[in-house]
Amino acid sequence: KQEVTQIPAALSVPEGENLVLNCSFTDSAIYNLQWFRQDPGKGLTSLLLIQSSQREQTSGRLNASLDKSSGRSTLYIAASQPGDSATYLCAVKDSNYQLIWGAGTKLIIKP
Amino acid sequence: GAGVSQTPSNKVTEKGKYVELRCDPISGHTALYWYRQSLGQGPEFLIYFQGTGAADDSGLPNDRFFAVRPEGSVSTLKIQRTERGDSAVYLCASSYAGTANTGELFFGEGSRLTVL
Repeated sequence: KQEVTQIPAALSVPEGENLVLNCSFTDSAIYNLQWFRQDPGKGLTSLLLIQSSQREQTSGRLNASLDKSSGRSTLYIAASQPGDSATYLCAVKDSNYQLIWGAGTKLIIKP
Repeated sequence: GAGVSQTPSNKVTEKGKYVELRCDPISGHTALYWYRQSLGQGPEFLIYFQGTGAADDSGLPNDRFFAVRPEGSVSTLKIQRTERGDSAVYLCASSYAGTANTGELFFGEGSRLTVL
């Protein structure tokens, strides 16, 4: 059974720092992995989607990597800003098309 | 539409009442998912539609929950005899392709249900 873990559960860093959020999964037989952002009381915003055949995806200051063999993905955020404060969730799409979710990392960027 | 639309955004009801939550997916998206999310947790899968049919309803917690998508577009999640434990944010997502190896999911803002 696929399990997705995100560590740390919460992270607080000063503005301007580069940071990495981690996502690990137990079964490497995935189809894709998607990173989402969720602001308090809001829905989920898709940030990056990495297909199983890909190693990374980039969008602006965000870069997501995927290493299926080790069951890991990272979300790199460059030059963090207070507006980046949110909860970041990763989700793995497994062979049954369902998304298996991590519990998220709550990120706070201090001005 | 430009994005996934969910109504109502907030619903407060009394225990035992009937509730309907509506989801209007992105135009042309064939796959539609319902999730629910409790505070501090990731989304919990409820049901998945491919077109008009429920391809997987294994996440529905019990027979008080039912969802329909009669014309393959708008979907309604129906909850009968609501209980306090049903209180959560109900999220809808749609995807252009429901197959596992494609299909970026796009979510609505959610419907926050509070059962008193």
